[in-house]
Amino acid sequence: SFELTQPPSVSVSPGQTARITCSADELPKQFVYWYQRKPGQAPILMIYKDNERPSGIPERFSGSSSGTTVTLTISGVQAEDEANYYCQSVDTSGTYVLFGGGTKLTVL
Amino acid sequence: QLQLQESGPGLVKPSETLSLTCTVSGGSISSTISYWAWIRQPPGKGLEWIGNIYYRGATYNNPSLKSRVTISVDMSKNQFSLKLDSVSAADTALYYCARLRWDSSGWYGGFDYWGQGTLVTVSS
Repeated sequence: SFELTQPPSVSVSPGQTARITCSADELPKQFVYWYQRKPGQAPILMIYKDNERPSGIPERFSGSSSGTTVTLTISGVQAEDEANYYCQSVDTSGTYVLFGGGTKLTVL
Repeated sequence: QLQLQESGPGLVKPSETLSLTCTVSGGSISSTISYWAWIRQPPGKGLEWIGNIYYRGATYNNPSLKSRVTISVDMSKNQFSLKLDSVSAADTALYYCARLRWDSSGWYGGFDYWGQGTLVTVSS
């Protein structure tokens, strides 16, 4: 079955760069989407189709792809970026949606 | 600005059917660039996709939920609904409705609008 694997946690100091990876185990790799989820709030789409940023999302959030691994990069991390981040993709048929297990970003 | 709002009982008994409705405002549920989705998050766990529906009725459900899921659309009310049969404690979760955008390039643009979520507890 198709899986997306994320590290459970990432910690960075304010102002540093955080990188959260999402590895797909199915080829060909489909586009990956990233969501930020803070307690008590609905998820927010941060990156779509690997590296596109929706309007209103700060430029410090970016996405990149290499092989079957997609990376969410947060440059100049701020305290407000502390949240859970989930990657999401679809299977090769484009029919079924899958989320990664989530990564808790801690800003030290 | 599209807005989605979930509604339904917060407590369901084991073996019964969970029923939720999502009301869409600020846009039409018959939008050709929109799929409408249900997603849940059990306590302490990650996001789990339940299923999608297109306004014309085509549905796609998470195979792990097998045939317990029914998603439907009511265009007259600009709503879509979820029914989950034979629930157990494992179905206790925060349930979200969301819009899955169909991008102009011919692929998905992501879940770009979400409701605030509604907590459903399965307990006798």
